[in-house]
Amino acid sequence: DTAVSQTPKYLVTQMGNDKSIKCEQNLGHDTMYWYKQDSKKFLKIMFSYNNKELIINETVPNRFSPKSPDKAHLNLHINSLELGDSAVYFCASSQRHTSSGANVLTFGAGSRLTVL
Amino acid sequence: DQQVKQNSPSLSVQEGRISILNCDYTNSMFDYFLWYKKYPAEGPTFLISISSIKDKNEDGRFTVFLNKSAKHLSLHIVPSQPGDSAVYFCAAGFQGAQKLVFGQGTRLTINP
Repeated sequence: DTAVSQTPKYLVTQMGNDKSIKCEQNLGHDTMYWYKQDSKKFLKIMFSYNNKELIINETVPNRFSPKSPDKAHLNLHINSLELGDSAVYFCASSQRHTSSGANVLTFGAGSRLTVL
Repeated sequence: DQQVKQNSPSLSVQEGRISILNCDYTNSMFDYFLWYKKYPAEGPTFLISISSIKDKNEDGRFTVFLNKSAKHLSLHIVPSQPGDSAVYFCAAGFQGAQKLVFGQGTRLTINP
């Protein structure tokens, strides 16, 4: 009964292929995200959806297309994979933290994508 | 243009001693800050947060200090335990916005 689960955990594929990563959360959160951890280890936001509506798109190439069929799911489809897409992709969902007002994200375990 | 930076990639501390992890930021408009802990092959997990109107927040062995004039925050872990060995990320955000800006993480190793 993992709170945020994403599949697959590992993905190795050839350049030019199309692949998808799926994410589901059972926390009842309204907002879901995709973050990318690059080679320099920074976690950078890619997309954010609130109740199935896209609210953040951080200048991600059009080859990346998120899809949210309902507020518990946010999938990431990547077309024409490039070497530079190799990274760890984290799905997350969030709620407001009562004491600090912080937007607290709960992350999945990550999906390591390797493009050869 | 990284707004949140953790300049120490790694830190090694003896069990029982204090661990101090540091984080610097450039945007004085951030409304809150968070620390996350990450074990290998797992996602980051929330540890502690602090509002920008405070200078200290404590939760058990974990205390976060915020120095707004220096645009610096730190996480203190006392006493350090072997289970604290992980990568620690600091993050910052704005009220009303979903986006969090993360640093690149510091790997903490607690030695017995």
